[in-house]
Amino acid sequence: AQKVTQAQTEISVVEKEDVTLDCVYETRDTTYYLFWYKQPPSGELVFLIRRNSFDEQNEISGRYSWNFQKSTSSFNFTITASQVVDSAVYFCALSNDYKLSFGAGTTVTVRA
Amino acid sequence: DAGVIQSPRHEVTEMGQEVTLRCKPISGHDYLFWYRQTMMRGLELLIYFNNNVPIDDSGMPEDRFSAKMPNASFSTLKIQPSEPRDSAVYFCASSDRDRNTEAFFGQGTRLTVV
Repeated sequence: AQKVTQAQTEISVVEKEDVTLDCVYETRDTTYYLFWYKQPPSGELVFLIRRNSFDEQNEISGRYSWNFQKSTSSFNFTITASQVVDSAVYFCALSNDYKLSFGAGTTVTVRA
Repeated sequence: DAGVIQSPRHEVTEMGQEVTLRCKPISGHDYLFWYRQTMMRGLELLIYFNNNVPIDDSGMPEDRFSAKMPNASFSTLKIQPSEPRDSAVYFCASSDRDRNTEAFFGQGTRLTVV
């Protein structure tokens, strides 16, 4: 069975603060894929990043960065210098057979 | 590419009525997924297809739910009869055969059953 836990339900920050979203996963598979999706207030699900289980390199994309640590089964996401437009629900997800198992999501509110 | 297209965007129906949600996946994608999002249960997979064939429907809640994919460019999710607890946002997503690719989601259909 697969499980994704996002322990933070809501995070509120002031613009320009950094915010880190935690994601812990459980799986018995040795090959799997991790994802982050963003759901803005408009409701659509927007893909942010994909990682496979053999690639533990951290990644940076603009103000977004991801830290994958297989030893702790974590795949955390940091937004640097947050902006109001970053306000959304962020979902971490796990897949090993095409099916995505989503975490409960973390609602990020960035105040001006 | 226009992305995954779902219709309608919003649907309000009375309990007991039949509801049909529609999805057009991204051209060339081999996999199609139906997800449901509710406050109580979050995002959960209902069913997915590979090359138009249903592979796993273990997430379909009841016999009232059925899904079809008559061809590579169209899928439907039908609820008959609908109940208030079916109210949710239903997402369709598609991806291609490479496991390394992400699923692209449609904008969802917000269903309200009154």
